[in-house]
Amino acid sequence: QKEVEQDPGPLSVPEGAIVSLNCTYSNSAFQYFMWYRQYSRKGPELLMYTYSSGNKEDGRFTAQVDKSSKYISLFIRDSQPSDSATYLCASSTNTGRRALTFGSGTRLQVQP
Amino acid sequence: NAGVTQTPKFQVLKTGQSMTLQCAQDMNHNSMYWYRQDPGMGLRLIYYSASEGTTDKGEVPNGYNVSRLNKREFSLRLESAAPSQTSVYFCASSEFRQGADEQFFGPGTRLTVL
Repeated sequence: QKEVEQDPGPLSVPEGAIVSLNCTYSNSAFQYFMWYRQYSRKGPELLMYTYSSGNKEDGRFTAQVDKSSKYISLFIRDSQPSDSATYLCASSTNTGRRALTFGSGTRLQVQP
Repeated sequence: NAGVTQTPKFQVLKTGQSMTLQCAQDMNHNSMYWYRQDPGMGLRLIYYSASEGTTDKGEVPNGYNVSRLNKREFSLRLESAAPSQTSVYFCASSEFRQGADEQFFGPGTRLTVL
């Protein structure tokens, strides 16, 4: 079992829809939770991260972590065609090497 | 400020050939990483370097070697390429902000081994 699991999609939504992207993780020691966006044939770029449980909002994006259920979510409001990309969740501990463990990514397509 | 740069962008090798993938960052980061990305597998860590002069194995190090040439540069070498090493390779560098390891990625190298 992978430490971070993610549905690969693809997820197709109409422009303006609210998108929900999700991951589950198994390592209770994970404290940092990140979301990366990767456009086709490009490197991943960091969207946002949260520490421990709770919500964090940045414009149209909201990251949510529920440590009790080991569930990570990214919500995109008013989705745009430019949001079409693969979204990768990643987690790490806050001690030791703190290497990131990535999910396999969910491909999102926002239809105009 | 170019961020993380990688060369080459594309490469085709024959089985048994060797090559070195180059990576450089201009953000003065201490830590650097090499990942491979395969369909359905996500990003898997090959090697990393926490600081200049140190390197450590990641999840999938077999068949690879690395060199942290200086603080800016971190190279990945395939001594005898195999078809299983066909992948997209990403270099990243990072700094810790408020305890989180924020990694910045290069554009990738697409490698095909025939």
